[in-house]
Amino acid sequence: AQRVTQPEKLLSVFKGAPVELKCNYSYSGSPELFWYVQYSRQRLQLLLRHISRESIKGFTADLNKGETSFHLKKPFAQEEDSAMYYCVPAGGTSYGKLTFGQGTILTVHP
Amino acid sequence: DSGVTQTPKHLITATGQRVTLRCSPRSGDLSVYWYQQSLDQGLQFLIQYYNGEERAKGNILERFSAQQFPDLHSELNLSSLELGDSALYFCASSSPRDRGLVPHTQYFGPGTRLTVL
Repeated sequence: AQRVTQPEKLLSVFKGAPVELKCNYSYSGSPELFWYVQYSRQRLQLLLRHISRESIKGFTADLNKGETSFHLKKPFAQEEDSAMYYCVPAGGTSYGKLTFGQGTILTVHP
Repeated sequence: DSGVTQTPKHLITATGQRVTLRCSPRSGDLSVYWYQQSLDQGLQFLIQYYNGEERAKGNILERFSAQQFPDLHSELNLSSLELGDSALYFCASSSPRDRGLVPHTQYFGPGTRLTVL
């Protein structure tokens, strides 16, 4: 079964501090991996996807196939990073659908 | 703005009733996905359509059905509503490769909040 674990429901950091949002997945086949973000009163949107290797808003994510992890990192958090973050594997036998974890609410304090 | 629109924004109805949620994808997107977001279940995939055909099914109840029309808009029909169906229903669209079988970035609508009393 496809499963995503984001162990931290809530994560608080201070502005300028490093932040890491953890994600572990259990998935049939080799999934494509995404991070989606939902800012307050905005719609869910793509933050980054592994295959493109882009760094969006200073965030990066490293895929560790051995540990089946895809942790999201940013060296210096900003207040505008406060949002709900979802780690999302997709593909393989699940085709185009996205499997969402429970999400992590990140709060960046001034 | 991602371009995906959903109507209505809010819907309040009673148990046992039937409602229809509507989604218009981004221009040119062939795939439409429906998701349900509730406090206890989180965000769950319901169903995917690609160019009018059902492509994948998730945890969609038998009381729920969907379709995608020739103009590519989609409707999600929820019938015999129960209190537990109260949730935020999202629609997303994408331009997938390989007839909807390969994941691609999905663009989400603002959601329809359904309240069943």
